[in-house]
Amino acid sequence: DAKTTQPPSMDCAEGRAANLPCNHSTISGNEYVYWYRQIHSQGPQYIIHGLKNNETNEMASLIITEDRKSSTLILPHATLRDTAVYYCIVRVHIANSGYALNFGKGTSLLVTP
Amino acid sequence: SAVISQKPSRDICQRGTSLTIQCQVDSQVTMMFWYRQQPGQSLTLIATANQGSEATYESGFVIDKFPISRPNLTFSTLTVSNMSPEDSSIYLCSAPGQGNIQYFGAGTRLSVL
Repeated sequence: DAKTTQPPSMDCAEGRAANLPCNHSTISGNEYVYWYRQIHSQGPQYIIHGLKNNETNEMASLIITEDRKSSTLILPHATLRDTAVYYCIVRVHIANSGYALNFGKGTSLLVTP
Repeated sequence: SAVISQKPSRDICQRGTSLTIQCQVDSQVTMMFWYRQQPGQSLTLIATANQGSEATYESGFVIDKFPISRPNLTFSTLTVSNMSPEDSSIYLCSAPGQGNIQYFGAGTRLSVL
């Protein structure tokens, strides 16, 4: 699996957009970008994933650069409850089988009032 | 999504004893995964539990220390054997849900005295 690089920490004011970057310069053509977050001492929560097109769901947007070497997770209107560690993971998506995830250190996002 | 229930949610154990953690999934899955999260660290994969076969352990984890059972397609247990304070961690299980996205249980917080 491709390695990812994320800043160790970021701050964001409540109500503003939080933009979390991730570098994955060695990503392969069949590897997806996944984002999870872990709120203190809870299990990781799936946020979003994508291959090459930008994706949006009720939680966030994922912007992947054209060369796929980096991506940005956007939380459009951050709230205090979005304070968590955010993990960017690159992985081949296997359609009919389970797969483990290789968690890096992630980005600790602090949303402040 | 998938609903994954873990129990116990937390426990405090004495050195030298063993604890069995249970993981229940709300749908039938072939593969389940167990992770460890040491204090202040990211998640590390312990093993992959396939129904009907022996679990596959990652480097640094052995069956004698972390025996795993997988009696059916919705259930798995992880035992932490002969515990020492170094085993104090959060233990998490995961399984695939809709769209083959990996979902996680809430975790078991283990403290060994």
